Amino acid sequence: GIQVEQSPPDLILQEGANSTLRCNFSDSVNNLQWFHQNPWGQLINLFYIPSGTKQNGRLSATTVATERYSLLYISSSQTTDSGVYFCAGNTGKLIFGQGTTLQVKP
Amino acid sequence: DAGVIQSPRHEVTEMGQEVTLRCKPISGHDYLFWYRQTMMRGLELLIYFNNNVPIDDSGMPEDRFSAKMPNASFSTLKIQPSEPRDSAVYFCASSLGGANEKLFFGSGTQLSVL
Repeated sequence: GIQVEQSPPDLILQEGANSTLRCNFSDSVNNLQWFHQNPWGQLINLFYIPSGTKQNGRLSATTVATERYSLLYISSSQTTDSGVYFCAGNTGKLIFGQGTTLQVKP
Repeated sequence: DAGVIQSPRHEVTEMGQEVTLRCKPISGHDYLFWYRQTMMRGLELLIYFNNNVPIDDSGMPEDRFSAKMPNASFSTLKIQPSEPRDSAVYFCASSLGGANEKLFFGSGTQLSVL
């Protein structure tokens, strides 16, 4: 089956810093979604992004389907951005990566 | 809309007992998914339904697990008998068009089997 790999596995930032999270997938996917799991465990859908670039406030995402990767950009990070970020590729069903754990320090 | 609603939020039970987890999808969503999250295996799809019909249950770990969707607004995931290795967070999610649309997750049920 398809493999979804995320990097880095862990990331520590100072508040205000920018960061880029990467998601690679081993085979073609129909689309890709990014999720944020907050420290209380809730999973929030950030982006549905089969290709191209989308922006939502301080967050943006880019998917290059032909090269099988997607990037999530976080600018001017805040402590509330802490948590785990997951990407999930659609092969008929969503397959999740192992996540990037982000800690933003004040 | 209230979002995807799961109950209970926490469940502690003893090995061998029956456990029933409940989910109410977002109104109008015709796909419903059950996921399990553990540290070792991450987020795994257990089963999903389209229009109340199970489409893919290949992720259900064994016969002790069963899921039903008697109507468009309710689904259950049952474990009988439960075992300590079933301890995990179980999430329900729904969408308008399966994995081709945005998935919305419930708050999850933290299950502990002692």
